[in-house]
Amino acid sequence: EVQLVESGGGLQQPGGSLRLSCAASGFTFSSYSMKWVRQAPGKGLEWLSYISSSSTTIYYADSVKGRFTISRDNAKNSLYLQMNSLRAEDTAVYYCARQGYTYGRAAYYYMDVWGKGTTVTVSS
Amino acid sequence: EIVLTQSPATLSLSPGERAILSCRASQSISTYLAWYQQKPGQAPRLLIYGASNRATGIPARFSGSGSGTDFTLTISSLEPEDFALYYCQQCSNWPRTFGQGTKLEIK
Repeated sequence: EVQLVESGGGLQQPGGSLRLSCAASGFTFSSYSMKWVRQAPGKGLEWLSYISSSSTTIYYADSVKGRFTISRDNAKNSLYLQMNSLRAEDTAVYYCARQGYTYGRAAYYYMDVWGKGTTVTVSS
Repeated sequence: EIVLTQSPATLSLSPGERAILSCRASQSISTYLAWYQQKPGQAPRLLIYGASNRATGIPARFSGSGSGTDFTLTISSLEPEDFALYYCQQCSNWPRTFGQGTKLEIK
């Protein structure tokens, strides 16, 4: 079964750090780019970060650039999100997602596999 | 950054009715648009990619259309399990962005 399982969420004080992990199984992790997406309580989805299959290409949303770092370990089938200088507005459910792709007349990319999410709460 | 505007914010319909959800991009994104469904307490689920291609396992009552800046998700005949939140997302430019969502509720 294709699966993503996030972990590492919890309660952290403003200014603190957390490291989220995402364990992949059921597919060849090293062949896929991966993403992090979050959802604040009662709010919509926010795309956060992207990492290519070999870690050569990385992108961030402006809201987390300079504070969050995405990384992966293909030998461990794992994706990570190091979150520093946490703020109250970082409180959210954090999802990891696989970037699926279809190549035809055009190359289409999408998030076809999602984890159940891990909850991060930033509060004093 | 490309802004996606979804309308309406809330759509109230009955089972069996047809639902039409809209997503407008602030600049042309060709057909690089995906639609996701999210139910309370669950992760999003991919419905449509490339504006009009159904993802694996998605029922035929879901269809997507559009290109450029205007896109539509149509649910031909609503089933009880279709009442949920729907998000569009552009896959054209970085950063990737989502629309604010449309809540499809039972009338």
